[in-house]
Amino acid sequence: GENVEQHPSTLSVQEGDSAVIKCTYSDSASNYFPWYKQELGKRPQLIIDIRSNVGEKKDQRIAVTLNKTAKHFSLHITETQPEDSAVYFCAASISNNDMRFGAGTRLTVKP
Amino acid sequence: DAGVIQSPRHEVTEMGQEVTLRCKPISGHNSLFWYRQTMMRGLELLIYFNNNVPIDDSGMPEDRFSAKMPNASFSTLKIQPSEPRDSAVYFCASSLGRLNTGELFFGEGSRLTVL
Repeated sequence: GENVEQHPSTLSVQEGDSAVIKCTYSDSASNYFPWYKQELGKRPQLIIDIRSNVGEKKDQRIAVTLNKTAKHFSLHITETQPEDSAVYFCAASISNNDMRFGAGTRLTVKP
Repeated sequence: DAGVIQSPRHEVTEMGQEVTLRCKPISGHNSLFWYRQTMMRGLELLIYFNNNVPIDDSGMPEDRFSAKMPNASFSTLKIQPSEPRDSAVYFCASSLGRLNTGELFFGEGSRLTVL
């Protein structure tokens, strides 16, 4: 099955700086790559996703890039704010099923 | 729609007892997933169903764990007998499966503590 690795496990940035989280996946058949944000004590919620026919997608301050050849994808958050502090999970799946998550990155944005 | 509904939200039990976690997916969703979340292992996929049929249960830790989906609106995850290492937050999630964008909608989770 799919194996997703995520780095770093923790990330601390100053408010206003950018944050980058990277993931790699093992199954070249994976074609859907979502990112979830989980605030403390809450459920994970989708913040952005990308499909394998697209190299980059942006939504306001967040963007995701995908390199299919290298089998890695990244989340970029610009102009970070304290409310961006959370655990972020990347995931990969084939045809929206069998969603496998990375281990998570705990992002702390210091005011 | 009220979203994915899980019960109980919190369960404290003693080792050896049976635990049953329940999930009601979003109406119309045809895929249902059970995940376990711990600090050490993150979000682990235990099992997922498509159209009420178990597709992949390779993530189920051992025979003490079982899951059923008797109809499109209800699923259970059972642990019998429970052990302290089963303590975790168990999330149920549903999606439209292959027919949609792929977003998983998670329930609030069931926090299980086995003493």
